[in-house]
Amino acid sequence: KQEVTQIPAALSVPEGENLVLNCSFTDSAIYNLQWFRQDPGKGLTSLLLIQSSQREQTSGRLNASLDKSSGRSTLYIAASQPGDSATYLCAVTVNAGKSTFGDGTTLTVKP
Amino acid sequence: DGGITQSPKYLFRKEGQNVTLSCEQNLNHDAMYWYRQDPGQGLRLIYYSQIVNDFQKGDIAEGYSVSREKKESFPLTVTSAQKNPTAFYLCASSIVHLAKNIQYFGAGTRLSVL
Repeated sequence: KQEVTQIPAALSVPEGENLVLNCSFTDSAIYNLQWFRQDPGKGLTSLLLIQSSQREQTSGRLNASLDKSSGRSTLYIAASQPGDSATYLCAVTVNAGKSTFGDGTTLTVKP
Repeated sequence: DGGITQSPKYLFRKEGQNVTLSCEQNLNHDAMYWYRQDPGQGLRLIYYSQIVNDFQKGDIAEGYSVSREKKESFPLTVTSAQKNPTAFYLCASSIVHLAKNIQYFGAGTRLSVL
């Protein structure tokens, strides 16, 4: 059974710092990995999707990498801002229609 | 304005009552999903559908039922058999593609038991 782990569960950084969020998964037979953002009490917003054949994706200040063989992905956020404060979740697609989510990392960026 | 609309935003269930959560999308997506989120946890898949009139159980389908009579709509019924229904329910949709299925989410319905 696929398991997805995100460490740390919470992270607090000062504004302007570069930071890395981690996601690990137990079964490398995935089709893609997605990173999402969730604000308190809201739905999820897709940030980046990395297909299994890709190594990384970039969008603005965000860069996500994927290493299938080691079962790891990282989300790099450059020059963090208070508006980046949210919970970040990763999810892997394991077969048609089924994604397994991690529990998320709650990020606080202090002004 | 394309997107996914969930209603109501808040819902209260009495013991023994069935309640239905609405999910509508105008993104022309074939696949739709229902997830449950408990405090401090990730999402767990309840049901998903990749085509009209067909749906599959997810990891925690017991106590829930769905229908998919129209492409745009995927309502979820929380039945009285679900003994711990208090949670945040999220609906999502995507294209049907193993590698490119970016999921788009609604704003969620928060269900509580009276």
